[in-house]
Amino acid sequence: DTEVTQTPKHLVMGMTNKKSLKCEQHMGHRAMYWYKQKAKKPPELMFVYSYEKLSINESVPSRFSPECPNSSLLNLHLHALQPEDSALYLCASSQPRVAGSWYTQYFGPGTRLTVL
Amino acid sequence: TQLLEQSPQFLSIQEGENLTVYCNSSSVFSSLQWYRQEPGEGPVLLVTVVTGGEVKKLKRLTFQFGDARKDSSLHITAAQPGDTGLYLCAGARYGGATNKLIFGTGTLLAVQP
Repeated sequence: DTEVTQTPKHLVMGMTNKKSLKCEQHMGHRAMYWYKQKAKKPPELMFVYSYEKLSINESVPSRFSPECPNSSLLNLHLHALQPEDSALYLCASSQPRVAGSWYTQYFGPGTRLTVL
Repeated sequence: TQLLEQSPQFLSIQEGENLTVYCNSSSVFSSLQWYRQEPGEGPVLLVTVVTGGEVKKLKRLTFQFGDARKDSSLHITAAQPGDTGLYLCAGARYGGATNKLIFGTGTLLAVQP
């Protein structure tokens, strides 16, 4: 089973709202990722968690706040977003980099976020 | 900055035609993944190649990793409308402290019935 699930599928929010995106995997992967993707462009890395600790923050604005409550769950808390933050938000998971690891990342279906 | 350039950027073909997508870099990668993505969905892994010169086949799709592990190609035989989507290559390098993939610029394929 190589399934990563994300909820909600679609989200519309105002610039003053607070919302959260959720990601879950049960493959025993210990690295989880958040990406932002604009239409017809490649995904852009936002955050990486390795063994439930934040290991990479790609200079993402503080209005995006990640959280990894346990090894299966990854959240992205949203607050005071701007219309230009509208995008497809993707979660992915993989085994962390150890000998013999091929960095293969498995992606969820994404959350389509619209900020009004 | 490590870049993975894909070509062509856009491709519109008729059902039954063959095509090749290229993924090129000046950097060496330890492994390379190919994904296909449909609109509004997440990328779906097609293959991972790890050995220079490696060739993998997935039904009508043939993937090759360059001998020097700097480039890769995806060849589709007898394309079908179901092959339509955004094709992304993504390379990984060992030795760093991070789990980062470098994504290619993407190839948008449309197969007309």
